[in-house]
Amino acid sequence: EPEVTQTPSHQVTQMGQEVILRCVPISNHLYFYWYRQILGQKVEFLVSFYNNEISEKSEIFDDQFSVERPDGSNFTLKIRSTKLEDSAMYFCASRDRPSNTGELFFGEGSRLTVL
Amino acid sequence: SQQGEEDPQALSIQEGENATMNCSYKTSINNLQWYRQNSGRGLVHLILIRSNEREKHSGRLRVTLDTSKKSSSLLITASRAADTASYFCATVPMEYGNKLVFGAGTILRVKS
Repeated sequence: EPEVTQTPSHQVTQMGQEVILRCVPISNHLYFYWYRQILGQKVEFLVSFYNNEISEKSEIFDDQFSVERPDGSNFTLKIRSTKLEDSAMYFCASRDRPSNTGELFFGEGSRLTVL
Repeated sequence: SQQGEEDPQALSIQEGENATMNCSYKTSINNLQWYRQNSGRGLVHLILIRSNEREKHSGRLRVTLDTSKKSSSLLITASRAADTASYFCATVPMEYGNKLVFGAGTILRVKS
């Protein structure tokens, strides 16, 4: 069954360092998302991406964050200068149709620990 | 304002019992979805109910939606130890376009 894959599964970084989290969405999907989940808290929307541009972003997604689809398969989230509070699980998700018609398919997540 | 709040926050039951989780939301929605998350894992879609539907079944799952009360419930019948997980409702608010907004979740523990 097709799945969303994320790498790395766990990354430890020093505060102030840049981090890139990678995702390979399901191949025929068109809508891509990043969510994050701080330990024990709710899943928070970061950004949605469609047709090679950001379609929506949350207040969390400030200018330290960026997303890119550098080729036909990868979808990346970059944090330019990590802060302690960026420590969380980051989930990539994708879907093949607009959100009002179907489910999101999530990856297993990348755990980011900022020291 | 928060969209999608589940209760209870935690639920512990014996295997074989039914588990009911509730979700309330604040704005008009296109649809409401329930997801499951095993500890430390990704979210898995369980069931979607559209705003014009009142009840939906899938296997041992039954979801209801009351748009007048802005609430939904997820019933898991004949629970199993493998049902132990966190369960989240997620809404697609009319005003927010193309994203899912998740609630805080219910942690379900099924004891064998």
